[in-house]
Amino acid sequence: DADVTQTPRNRITKTGKRIMLECSQTKGHDRMYWYRQDPGLGLRLIYYSFDVKDINKGEISDGYSVSRQAQAKFSLSLESAIPNQTALYFCATSDRDRGQAQYFGPGTRLTVL
Amino acid sequence: QQQVKQSPQSLIVQKGGISIINCAYENTAFDYFPWYQQFPGKGPALLIAIRPDVSEKKEGRFTISFNKSAKQFSLHIMDSQPGDSATYFCAATANDYKLSFGAGTTVTVRA
Repeated sequence: DADVTQTPRNRITKTGKRIMLECSQTKGHDRMYWYRQDPGLGLRLIYYSFDVKDINKGEISDGYSVSRQAQAKFSLSLESAIPNQTALYFCATSDRDRGQAQYFGPGTRLTVL
Repeated sequence: QQQVKQSPQSLIVQKGGISIINCAYENTAFDYFPWYQQFPGKGPALLIAIRPDVSEKKEGRFTISFNKSAKQFSLHIMDSQPGDSATYFCAATANDYKLSFGAGTTVTVRA
């Protein structure tokens, strides 16, 4: 089984809809991140969480919210989706005691029509 | 504004050749520089990483060269193979653990 899983893997939705992307990990890591990937821009950090009670905004948090339901689960919500949120979304994890390496899930391709 | 600038955007190399990807940064607080490899439909996978206290790190056919004074680092793929065809991202982070990524380089290795 994959260490970091994301659901759904693909999603098409309409403008104005609320959507949630979920991430689960079995690596036992305490830190979790959400990134979005756009062509020519690399990956940009949306939110990150160093433990269940510690959630922080990244560089592009507007229009997004997150919830850390447990150490192993970190979900990303788009309250009212808009077309420019069409992107690939990746969840990542890292371990405080194992340095700065981050490990990524397989991604969710989101299309907002 | 991207904190890590990566070039080229894409490159094509013959099998057995050397692929070179360059990155530059401005933030002198950065102290960890990983490279990620991404295949289509997959998430980025950590390939190799370096800290600024060394000038070079080699793992198999992959080498990072680091120039602290120039604030530049590069990835060299020696003896490139078709299986190396992927998108490569450089990144950097300070002790805040937030990764700043380059824009990515698509490498195509021709057989």
